[in-house]
Amino acid sequence: ILNVEQSPQSLHVQEGDSTNFTCSFPSSNFYALHWYRWETAKSPEALFVMTLNGDEKKKGRISATLNTKEGYSYLYIKGSQPEDSATYLCASLLNNAGNMLTFGGGTRLMVKP
Amino acid sequence: EPEVTQTPSHQVTQMGQEVILRCVPISNHLYFYWYRQILGQKVEFLVSFYNNEISEKSEIFDDQFSVERPDGSNFTLKIRSTKLEDSAMYFCASTRYHTPGTEAFFGQGTRLTVV
Repeated sequence: ILNVEQSPQSLHVQEGDSTNFTCSFPSSNFYALHWYRWETAKSPEALFVMTLNGDEKKKGRISATLNTKEGYSYLYIKGSQPEDSATYLCASLLNNAGNMLTFGGGTRLMVKP
Repeated sequence: EPEVTQTPSHQVTQMGQEVILRCVPISNHLYFYWYRQILGQKVEFLVSFYNNEISEKSEIFDDQFSVERPDGSNFTLKIRSTKLEDSAMYFCASTRYHTPGTEAFFGQGTRLTVV
């Protein structure tokens, strides 16, 4: 069984705090790691796709890193804003057949003004 | 910006009835997918579809499920005889390419409730 796990499950922070969450995945048969931002009643929005060990990507105040050898990725949000409140999903491509993503359980972030 | 659209947003059906969930993928995308999330559980892969054929399916995708691209724009998921445990949020997704670094675009989901 190939499991992708995320921690923490939920997180409450104050506006302006910086925060980070973890996604862990099997390091064998790794092809890609995706991060999504998902607000209720909306489509999951792709944030990053990373494929190489040591990849770092940034979009505004959000950045992500990837360690494929030890099987983890971190997502960082600098200076959280209330509009960052959402569920952050990671998903790993663990085989190259059918482009099948294996998802973690998500981290629900709530940013208080 | 191009987006994946799904209809309906919410469907309630009686156990044993057939349902068809509809998706319009992004127009120049070639690969199509269905995922689902049962309440409180992880998002799970159901099936991938390319060139009018299923390319991969999970154990969940049994004989009760089928997919079709009936025309150049729609991509449908049919559940022949719904069970209570089919209640879930169903997501359609599409990608332009099949390479590992390709971004997948998701629809907003159809919440299926089987009563």
